[in-house]
Amino acid sequence: GAVVSQHPSWVICKSGTSVKIECRSLDFQATTMFWYRQFPKQSLMLMATSNEGSKATYEQGVEKDKFLINHASLTLSTLTVTSAHPEDSSFYICSARWEAGSNSPLHFGNGTRLTVT
Amino acid sequence: AQSVTQLDSHVSVSEGTPVLLRCNYSSSYSPSLFWYVQHPNKGLQLLLKYTSAATLVKGINGFEAEFKKSETSFHLTKPSAHMSDAAEYFCVVSFNQAGTALIFGKGTTLSVSS
Repeated sequence: GAVVSQHPSWVICKSGTSVKIECRSLDFQATTMFWYRQFPKQSLMLMATSNEGSKATYEQGVEKDKFLINHASLTLSTLTVTSAHPEDSSFYICSARWEAGSNSPLHFGNGTRLTVT
Repeated sequence: AQSVTQLDSHVSVSEGTPVLLRCNYSSSYSPSLFWYVQHPNKGLQLLLKYTSAATLVKGINGFEAEFKKSETSFHLTKPSAHMSDAAEYFCVVSFNQAGTALIFGKGTTLSVSS
């Protein structure tokens, strides 16, 4: 149980276009999902916390207008990279908790490799 | 201040030999601790978690970790490495009750040679 599906697994787009990444909790409801960015050989950097039915909470330094997050249902959060540029190329990973609280581990999607040309 | 330190950026072992990946944390709050594994171009998979029950935690794939409060450590071990264990390993600590204050270690790359 507690499967998180992320789609697409990789995407190549041209500079200036927008890309949408989906994160779904397949067998549980997630009121909160998290979006991370990972650079090569580095750890995960939390970008934002996605809350169902309300605005996402962005980490310091993350552009809200650049990385649009929508958490429209209890099983789906989307991250849209708007007007993508080559520096946005990265590995994006989402995660969700099956249940609330610090004891509950995060379940991660398989990530999306974004390449902007 | 809260922090997580993975002491080795890279660990190399031979197949069949023990694995030790080290993690230390700094916190004034009693944290929850996790180890995750990441294979190339994949998300993170939970290996095990400590949540104030038994200090020796057993996880998947033969991994285990021991929580030592006096040493503020949560080292990951495996008695015998397998080639498929080669991956990136992250120590993650949750510093608040809600579980929203997570800190990821910088990761340790485990290489396994035959």
